[in-house]
Amino acid sequence: GQQLNQSPQSMFIQEGEDVSMNCTSSSIFNTWLWYKQDPGEGPVLLIALYKAGELTSNGRLTAQFGITRKDSFLNISASIPSDVGIYFCAGQQGHGGNQFYFGTGTSLTVIP
Amino acid sequence: EPEVTQTPSHQVTQMGQEVILRCVPISNHLYFYWYRQILGQKVEFLVSFYNNEISEKSEIFDDQFSVERPDGSNFTLKIRSTKLEDSAMYFCASRGRTSGSLDAQYFGPGTRLTVL
Repeated sequence: GQQLNQSPQSMFIQEGEDVSMNCTSSSIFNTWLWYKQDPGEGPVLLIALYKAGELTSNGRLTAQFGITRKDSFLNISASIPSDVGIYFCAGQQGHGGNQFYFGTGTSLTVIP
Repeated sequence: EPEVTQTPSHQVTQMGQEVILRCVPISNHLYFYWYRQILGQKVEFLVSFYNNEISEKSEIFDDQFSVERPDGSNFTLKIRSTKLEDSAMYFCASRGRTSGSLDAQYFGPGTRLTVL
């Protein structure tokens, strides 16, 4: 299957700091999704991206669909303790019912 | 807000037994998925389902696995003879209100399967 590499693998930041993480692949994707997962729970959709170059915000979160279509970026501004969790990117190469490939995840810890 | 639901939340079974995991996708969604996540690892695709047939499946989804949409609301995953390595969180997801829709993929809360 396709490999989606996320970096960094983990982050420890102070409350109020901004966070940046990215997801890269050697293949082109048509859709990028960003999820947050808390322990023992299902992934919760944060942002969906459908076009190369697209920049979309959801509150303090902003994500971009890379111009090359091989990467995506997620930024969190002014982090708060409830931002703690694992963030996954997911990419789809086809459409409709084609599978989404998941990244390796970025674990975020926010220190109050 | 509509959501994907899954039952049971936790299933414990003996190796070799059959299990059925149940999901109710978001109403009017057309594409349905099963994923699994082994503890501490990334989410892995198992199968997708559209128009009452499998659209795509991974190499994990072998003859021991099957999916069914027995009525207009439920979507099930059956594992015929469970193995120890089947222990994982199993997530159902659904997508799209109309064919070709760009609606995103929404996950259920998961079923934790423990095979003893």
